[in-house]
Amino acid sequence: GDSVTQMEGPVTLSEEAFLTINCTYTATGYPSLFWYVQYPGEGLQLLLKATKADDKGSNKGFEATYRKETTSFHLEKGSVQVSDSAVYFCALSPLSGGYNKLIFGAGTRLAVHP
Amino acid sequence: GAGVSQSPRYKVAKRGQDVALRCDPISGHVSLFWYQQALGQGPEFLTYFQNEAQLDKSGLPSDRFFAERPEGSVSTLKIQRTQQEDSAVYLCASRQGVNEQFFGPGTRLTVL
Repeated sequence: GDSVTQMEGPVTLSEEAFLTINCTYTATGYPSLFWYVQYPGEGLQLLLKATKADDKGSNKGFEATYRKETTSFHLEKGSVQVSDSAVYFCALSPLSGGYNKLIFGAGTRLAVHP
Repeated sequence: GAGVSQSPRYKVAKRGQDVALRCDPISGHVSLFWYQQALGQGPEFLTYFQNEAQLDKSGLPSDRFFAERPEGSVSTLKIQRTQQEDSAVYLCASRQGVNEQFFGPGTRLTVL
């Protein structure tokens, strides 16, 4: 069935370091792909999305490119800040579900220290 | 306007009790979703409504779980005869059209 695999955390970085969180997926057809973020004490928020192959989603300095050939949607940021500390979830919305439900990875906790 | 709200925020139940969790979606949002998030895991889809119609309930783990949205707005997720494995955060999300899902803060259910 459809699934998402993302790198285990926690990921610990110094401020201004480069961030990559790997995400790969299994799905039939062309799912939509998402990154959600959960800041401490807050609900899930959409960070960015891409709906077709080679699309690049970007927001708040984060970006991810929909790679059909490698079934990947890795999250990157060039220079992280302490305020980026959160849990990041990769997700897909499959064709099989009519692009309605979301299927999430297990989440990757990011800790950025000064 | 206001975001998605859920109540109660925390619920403690004894094993075997019935619980009801409420979701108030963003006004005007046609679609409503329920997810279950176990500790340290990503959310897992439970069920989906479009207006009052429950179009997908494939994620409900057992017949003890029941969701309704009788007037196409507020939704209630009911769990009968709760078990310890039901302990999780229950998330509600709403959506207008095919845009993003907006999530509520969740209800943390602890079954003792």
